[in-house]
Amino acid sequence: KQEVTQIPAALSVPEGENLVLNCSFTDSAIYNLQWFRQDPGKGLTSLLLIQSSQREQTSGRLNASLDKSSGRSTLYIAASQPGDSATYLCAVPPMDSNYQLIWGAGTKLIIKP
Amino acid sequence: GAGVSQSPRYKVAKRGQDVALRCDPISGHVSLFWYQQALGQGPEFLTYFQNEAQLDKSGLPSDRFFAERPEGSVSTLKIQRTQQEDSAVYLCASSPIASTGAVGKLFFGSGTQLSVL
Repeated sequence: KQEVTQIPAALSVPEGENLVLNCSFTDSAIYNLQWFRQDPGKGLTSLLLIQSSQREQTSGRLNASLDKSSGRSTLYIAASQPGDSATYLCAVPPMDSNYQLIWGAGTKLIIKP
Repeated sequence: GAGVSQSPRYKVAKRGQDVALRCDPISGHVSLFWYQQALGQGPEFLTYFQNEAQLDKSGLPSDRFFAERPEGSVSTLKIQRTQQEDSAVYLCASSPIASTGAVGKLFFGSGTQLSVL
């Protein structure tokens, strides 16, 4: 059964730093992997979706990489800003379902001004 | 509207009451998902609709939970005889494409925070 883990659970860094968030999954047979952002009291916003055939995806200051063989994905945030403070979650579809996602518990990121 | 809309934003229910949570997806979106999110955890899948057809309800925790999307747009999640363990944030998400093979990009509402006393 697919399991998704995100470590650390929380991270606090000064503004301007580059940082990396980690996501690991136990079953390397995945269709894709998504990174989401969740602000307090709000729903989730899809940031990046990497197909299994891709190695990385970029959007602005965000870069997500995927290494299926090692069961890992990283979300790189360049030149962090206080507005980046949020919880970041990753999710993968299980191979035995067309409709579900298996989620990590998220990393709560705080960017200190 | 421009995004997925959920109502009410907050709901407080006494144990044993029935509740109904509403989701207005983005117009024209084929797929609609319901998720349950406990504090500090990732969302847990509840059910999936493709237009008006409920294709997967395997995540519904008990027969007290019921969801419908009769006209393929607005969806309602109903919880009968609420229990304290039902307290959570209920999230709705929609997608413009049918989920065949795997879930694609999702658009989420802000959720309904349900507190059962």
